[in-house]
Amino acid sequence: DQQVKQNSPSLSVQEGRISILNCDYTNSMFDYFLWYKKYPAEGPTFLISISSIKDKNEDGRFTVFLNKSAKHLSLHIVPSQPGDSAVYFCAAGPTGTASKLTFGTGTRLQVTL
Amino acid sequence: DAGVIQSPRHEVTEMGQEVTLRCKPISGHDYLFWYRQTMMRGLELLIYFNNNVPIDDSGMPEDRFSAKMPNASFSTLKIQPSEPRDSAVYFCASSFAGLDTQYFGPGTRLTVL
Repeated sequence: DQQVKQNSPSLSVQEGRISILNCDYTNSMFDYFLWYKKYPAEGPTFLISISSIKDKNEDGRFTVFLNKSAKHLSLHIVPSQPGDSAVYFCAAGPTGTASKLTFGTGTRLQVTL
Repeated sequence: DAGVIQSPRHEVTEMGQEVTLRCKPISGHDYLFWYRQTMMRGLELLIYFNNNVPIDDSGMPEDRFSAKMPNASFSTLKIQPSEPRDSAVYFCASSFAGLDTQYFGPGTRLTVL
């Protein structure tokens, strides 16, 4: 039973355009959400997070939106750069800390020139 | 800090053999997590420890899998006997209570022939 779902296994976007990665969750106990980025042969690295008291969090070119009623979050990357090409994992947890996270299956983003 | 250290980086073994994966968390972190990454299921949490004590091992797939944390700076994940379906990338991560992210090691790619 996948409690965190990333339904798009891959996404291709042109450099300079917006990349939108989506994530859905089913567990109502989740109140803390994160995005991780993973390059080949490396471990995932933390990108950005949002708690359920907010509906938007911004960090430079990266913005995460949370729609609690729809149990949906999205990551926007504007403008997309070739170095953003990686696998992006959505993660969710029941507390405000990283004590236990449930990850999605990942979306592979390819930013083309 | 050197970050989370995992060894070996690659392991190739034959079915039925014992496999031991090793992890050194970031100094001062009190949580340690073991994950398995597969194409079908993404990043699955296998087990996590707090202050060297196993807290939740509900993700451990079978009795063939076991994990220990004898001290704050070392943990092992053992598979005995190994099977081809155990082939995956295994990640170790650590965090400090109150921080909002987990820090991942580079992973061990396990291939069971």
